[in-house]
Formats: sequence, structure tokens, C-alpha cells
Amino acid sequence: NAGVTQTPKFRILKIGQSMTLQCTQDMNHNYMYWYRQDPGMGLKLIYYSVGAGITDKGEVPNGYNVSRSTTEDFPLRLELAAPSQTSVYFCASSYSQEQFFGPGTRLTVL
Amino acid sequence: AQSVTQLDSQVPVFEEAPVELRCNYSSSVSVYLFWYVQYPNQGLQLLLKYLSGSTLVESINGFEAEFNKSQTSFHLRKPSVHISDTAEYFCAVSNTGNQFYFGTGTSLTVIP
Repeated sequence: NAGVTQTPKFRILKIGQSMTLQCTQDMNHNYMYWYRQDPGMGLKLIYYSVGAGITDKGEVPNGYNVSRSTTEDFPLRLELAAPSQTSVYFCASSYSQEQFFGPGTRLTVL
Repeated sequence: AQSVTQLDSQVPVFEEAPVELRCNYSSSVSVYLFWYVQYPNQGLQLLLKYLSGSTLVESINGFEAEFNKSQTSFHLRKPSVHISDTAEYFCAVSNTGNQFYFGTGTSLTVIP
């Protein structure tokens, strides 16, 4: 199993551009999550999903959108990138109270 | 909502010395508790977890944590650290709904 995979690893965006961060898991987990990690702030939950077709907001959803059309995929969309969205983004899936994290996407908005 | 407090943002310790990383949480309901480790430029990996049963849980690489319900704490300890333990450590709490709340992290630096 590949576990949780994320693409791209790195990306630089200009203010106002849009992009989609991809996340895929091959463990057939129902629960999936998107977090952002900023220095000294820990992980903040952006969105999560309890299964295909169901998504819900986390702690910091503004400026982001998600969809969950399949169990495997949980993409995160940034429509109008802002410097405040410069961060490292982690996708995770969970089963039986254990989370599995992807390697992260480092995003810089200039 | 639940919250997690990691009291120490940075902990330097000499190799082979003991270490304790502190974690307190606030919750009025039953919780599950976790410690994750993050090595540079990597994602988080589960180190150990408390779900139920014995309040003392151990990891395969010598770390242990004890769930203390009265003090709402889940401190992480290791009796003798190695250089390879240098990493960021995150405490997390979860309710039965599979939502996880993370602390701000503790950077452990092991000094040769």
C-alpha cells in the first residue's frame, strides 16, 4: 500500500491564482482530513470528510474548498491565493482512531 | 471544542539523559490521546496512543506516556534519549467522532 499520497510536494503561487492540492489514499478509509501547519501553531483542521459525498468545515475553512467524489480522493482547492495561505498542507486519513498522514505540500504565495 | 496545551515549545536535552514532554488537554467527555512525531520535511507519524485500558502506554522505540484523568494530562517520557530522537512532537486528542485536535508542538533537540 502507498498509504496517503499528496501532490505536488512544492508549489509557488502568485496572489490571486488558483490551484488544487491532490490527496489520495489506498487504505479504504472513510475519514479524510486537510490540515495546515504553520510555525509554532501546530496543525489546524481546514476541512474533513466522513465518507464519499460528505464534507464539513474544520477550524480554518475560509479561502478553501473541498470535494469527496470517491473514497480514495480528497482534493483541496484554493480559488484566490493569498499570502496568508503560505503554509505546509497535510492530508490524512483515519481508521479506528488512528490517523495516517501524507508527506505534505509546501505552498508559498507571493 | 477540545483543546490541547503543550507547555514547552522547545526542549534541549543531552544524549542519554531522560526527557519529559508535557501535554494537557481540556475535555468534559471521554477522549482518546495520541503522541505524533514529525521528522524534518516529513509528515506526522503515530508514536503511541491511549484508547482505553492501561493508563501507561509504550512505543517500540522506548517512549512511554501515562494518561492521568484527574490532571487531564498525557505526558511523554523517555529514560534515555538518542540523537535520532531529535524531532517535533505533537500531542493530540480525539473525541469519538474522529475529529482530532493538536497541540502546538514541542521541538526536542538532543545534544551530543
